[in-house]
Amino acid sequence: DTTVKQNPRYKLARVGKPVNLICSQTMNHDTMYWYQKKPNQAPKLLLFYYDKILNREADTFEKFQSSRPNNSFCSLYIGSAGLEYSAMYLCASSTPGGREQYFGPGTRLTVL
Amino acid sequence: GQQVKQSSPSLTVQEGGILILNCDYENDMFDYFAWYKKYPDNSPTLLISVRSNVDKREDGRFTVFLNKSGKHFSLHITASQPEDTAVYLCAAGSNTGYQNFYFGKGTSLTVIP
Repeated sequence: DTTVKQNPRYKLARVGKPVNLICSQTMNHDTMYWYQKKPNQAPKLLLFYYDKILNREADTFEKFQSSRPNNSFCSLYIGSAGLEYSAMYLCASSTPGGREQYFGPGTRLTVL
Repeated sequence: GQQVKQSSPSLTVQEGGILILNCDYENDMFDYFAWYKKYPDNSPTLLISVRSNVDKREDGRFTVFLNKSGKHFSLHITASQPEDTAVYLCAAGSNTGYQNFYFGKGTSLTVIP
């Protein structure tokens, strides 16, 4: 199974409320990524886990958290959603020692 | 700033034609370069990639050329077909042990039958 799964596919959230997005893969990939994609913009890398080590991009450091309880699962957590968080959130994983990224279908988050 | 840039937001080519998609990057530590293809409402999938130890990689109708000194790489597509119509995203990253990876905005390609 070479698919990356994301739940939910669509998420509606209120301003100021927390949001938790889930990603899973069963390919034993060592690295899992989260990207934010807004219309007409490049997918923006938010953070990634290499094994158990979390790396967050400097400009989004305080906005997003993540956890990886085991090799297969990775979550993206927003403590207090703002309108600017409305976007597609793409999860991806990559092979051990390799670079090809396998993307999930994305979660479309709308913050009202 | 944006780490990876694609200068052309869109391109149109006649079926059978040759086209070149361009990508520039900022970080000279990047050592892995890739092109992803994305159909509407689908996620990106890897089309072709190259590591920094080579300057060219060919896979059928698709060829990646890498110019490390110019911090530039390109995708050449020959004998273009209508099914090549998609958004093409370039991406680059480095193997620092932590595999950070950055995408361009994408170039929307339309192949006219």
